[in-house]
Order: sequence, then C-alpha cells, then structure tokens
Amino acid sequence: EADIYQTPRYLVIGTGKKITLECSQTMGHDKMYWYQQDPGMELHLIHYSYGVNSTEKGDLSSESTVSRIRTEHFPLTLESARPSHTSQYLCASSEFLGVSSYEQYFGPGTRLTVT
Amino acid sequence: AQKVTQAQTEISVVEKEDVTLDCVYETRDTTYYLFWYKQPPSGELVFLIRRNSFDEQNEISGRYSWNFQKSTSSFNFTITASQVVDSAVYFCALSEYDGGATNKLIFGTGTLLAVQP
Repeated sequence: EADIYQTPRYLVIGTGKKITLECSQTMGHDKMYWYQQDPGMELHLIHYSYGVNSTEKGDLSSESTVSRIRTEHFPLTLESARPSHTSQYLCASSEFLGVSSYEQYFGPGTRLTVT
Repeated sequence: AQKVTQAQTEISVVEKEDVTLDCVYETRDTTYYLFWYKQPPSGELVFLIRRNSFDEQNEISGRYSWNFQKSTSSFNFTITASQVVDSAVYFCALSEYDGGATNKLIFGTGTLLAVQP
C-alpha cells in the first residue's frame, strides 16, 4: 500500500483566495508529480519534480506553482483561485528500480471547488 | 508522439457478466510501460498492473486478466464474473522509458464501468 498523503481532501473556496494543496510521501521517492483531473475524467500532468530543488512544468499548462524543499513534501500553490481551477488534483510519486521494474503511486486526491 | 486511446467512454453490464475494457496506445519507443488504474467514486487511483514492453505474457489475477499485444498496440483488461464493487472508472496509461529520468504517465480518457446488480 502506498504511503502518500494529500490534504485537504475537499476544499471549497472563493475566487481570488490563495490556496496551497499539500502532498507528502514517506517512501523516500525522488520523483513526484501533480496531475489535474477535469470533471470529464481526463488526467493531465501539470508539474513534476526529479528531486529536491528541481521542478518542471508538465504537459498541461497550469497557473499553479510548486516547490520541493524536502524529498517527502511537494506542495502546490494557487496565488489567486478562479472558478476555472475547479478540478481534482492528484499527487503521485514514483520509484524506478531498473528497466524491468517501476511503480507510480497516487495519493487520495484533493477536490477543489472555486466559487 | 505518445498517446493512449480508450474508445469506450461508458460500459454498463449486469453482475456476473464478463467485460473487456479496451486500450490502444501509440509510442515510438521500443521500451515502455503500460498501466491500468482503477478510480472508485472516492476518487483515489488504485494501481492494478504494470506491463513492460519486453514482456508480452498475459497476466491473470483472480477475476482480472490482461491481454498485451504489441502487434496491435493494445493492452486490454477483462473482468470475469463482474461484481457491483467493480463499478469505477478505469484508466489505461503509458510511460516511455527515459532511463528513469521522469517516469511521466500519459493517461487515456478512462472508461466508466457500471455493474448493475
């Protein structure tokens, strides 16, 4: 079972507020990811990190930002929330054990609603 | 370019029926990984299986089985004797091998499976 946690699980917030979605993992994985899931189900990578102090933008453009100061922690921040940010945000981490073995684990997700 | 196609948006079956979820992928790499995840109504993604491109053996795990065919670029998932608890969205995903640098996943659009009692 994966040890990856996200808080809050649900968040309803007004337009213009700053929010931070928390993600932490206790598996010591170097690589972490944020995926955004639209209400229509598609999942898109918005940020990833190779390790401490390394972050990259994903395949889907996002107004959010991320930081990676500690291996276990990968928070996502929206400086000014808008209704278009309403979505589910899923955090993941992965461990590459060699060309024949690789796993990626997901947290429980944060459902964000911006009113 | 890499792409995953799940042509079935929704499937509805009656309990105890067998059901197959289709997944077709595109990649230029010779080494890649394919995944299936289950997403129940609670929202978390549950890992079901990973298959490496160089291992075309089919796999069976209880009522679940997977058919990997490189010749048709397909990685289909069959549930035998479906149960109500199987109701969920199922995602197929692809990751191209990059020496472990990023391990990014490209997801299909998902298939909503509804199993009626």
